[in-house]
Amino acid sequence: GQNIDQPTEMTATEGAIVQINCTYQTSGFNGLFWYQQHAGEAPTFLSYNVLDGLEEKGRFSSFLSRSKGYSYLLLKELQMKDSASYLCAVMDSNYQLIWGAGTKLIIKP
Amino acid sequence: NAGVTQTPKFRVLKTGQSMTLLCAQDMNHEYMYWYRQDPGMGLRLIHYSVGEGTTAKGEVPDGYNVSRLKKQNFLLGLESAAPSQTSVYFCASTLLAGSPGELFFGEGSRLTVL
Repeated sequence: GQNIDQPTEMTATEGAIVQINCTYQTSGFNGLFWYQQHAGEAPTFLSYNVLDGLEEKGRFSSFLSRSKGYSYLLLKELQMKDSASYLCAVMDSNYQLIWGAGTKLIIKP
Repeated sequence: NAGVTQTPKFRVLKTGQSMTLLCAQDMNHEYMYWYRQDPGMGLRLIHYSVGEGTTAKGEVPDGYNVSRLKKQNFLLGLESAAPSQTSVYFCASTLLAGSPGELFFGEGSRLTVL
């Protein structure tokens, strides 16, 4: 079966760095996405990785290792507005997105 | 910039009632999707469409029907609502499914079935 695993909840301090991990087992691989979802709102796109390595976009970076079925989202200089759920999704061989349950990130002052 | 618009935003139904959720996008996207989101679970695909006049089943299609008569609109119907269909429903669209393009989501429709 297809499976995406990510921690249910994480807590971090304002100004710090946090890494949210995602492991996957899917039928084929056509890229991995990270989305941010604030409570009661729609998911919004953060990043896309299809090749191994690190993609940096401002305070957010995303890493992919296809051989390990592993990705992480790195958030630097955390701000209170970063409190949200972070969704990992993998595009399988049929170009369908398989979604993880999301990681709720709580930022404390 | 309207993007993806869903109506209604909230709805309460009694078991057995029917309703239709409307999704409209103004970005000329080919692909449109209906997802449901339940606590502790990832987004689950109900139905999707790869273009005007075409629809296909997703992971959890039972109890739902869809139509895509116009490219910009994707309707999700519940013929006989059940409490198990209480959920938050999201519509999403993208230009092409195989591209690295992002999914654009509507604001969500919260449905409660009593």
